[in-house]
Amino acid sequence: NAGVTQTPKFQVLKTGQSMTLQCAQDMNHNSMYWYRQDPGMGLRLIYYSASEGTTDKGEVPNGYNVSRLNKREFSLRLESAAPSQTSVYFCASSEGTGHHNSPLHFGNGTRLTVT
Amino acid sequence: GDSVTQMEGPVTLSEEAFLTINCTYTATGYPSLFWYVQYPGEGLQLLLKATKADDKGSNKGFEATYRKETTSFHLEKGSVQVSDSAVYFCALSGNFGNEKLTFGTGTRLTIIP
Repeated sequence: NAGVTQTPKFQVLKTGQSMTLQCAQDMNHNSMYWYRQDPGMGLRLIYYSASEGTTDKGEVPNGYNVSRLNKREFSLRLESAAPSQTSVYFCASSEGTGHHNSPLHFGNGTRLTVT
Repeated sequence: GDSVTQMEGPVTLSEEAFLTINCTYTATGYPSLFWYVQYPGEGLQLLLKATKADDKGSNKGFEATYRKETTSFHLEKGSVQVSDSAVYFCALSGNFGNEKLTFGTGTRLTIIP
């Protein structure tokens, strides 16, 4: 049982390049999330998908797009990477959006550097 | 809006020492409170939670009590081990339709043998 799988683990991009971060979960969870983790900032929510077919902006959505491809997969796209997007990106899933009963399960992260 | 303030790290302790990591919050209504832990090279995982005032969450020897009067949820452990070295995040989830998690900045804990 793999849980939440993210690819790639590491990526270096030049400013202006595009890329897609992939995320898949095998727990049959309804909700999926993308966070970024920056030193001194904790985790900030970029986008989330409460259920298959829906996506919503989080706290820091600018410069990103997402696709909930099916119940298992939720991808994050950077159309034109900027140095400010250098960060560690985490995908997470949960059974529902009520976190008091539905904890987040995280992937191991993607470390992205934009030069 | 909702916010979580955590004790700044890094924190370095000797094995078997007593641990406290402070966490206070600002939120409307009656949030649920969580501690998540991130071991090196891994994603976060839920350590413990409390969903109402005076509840105590506990797991793996760690405890935290939901104190509404002081808006706090401090993490404690009586005797830490080297394997407890990790980054600890306090978080809250609002209620009444605002259920997304708000995280603190994290506290890095290192335990030396």
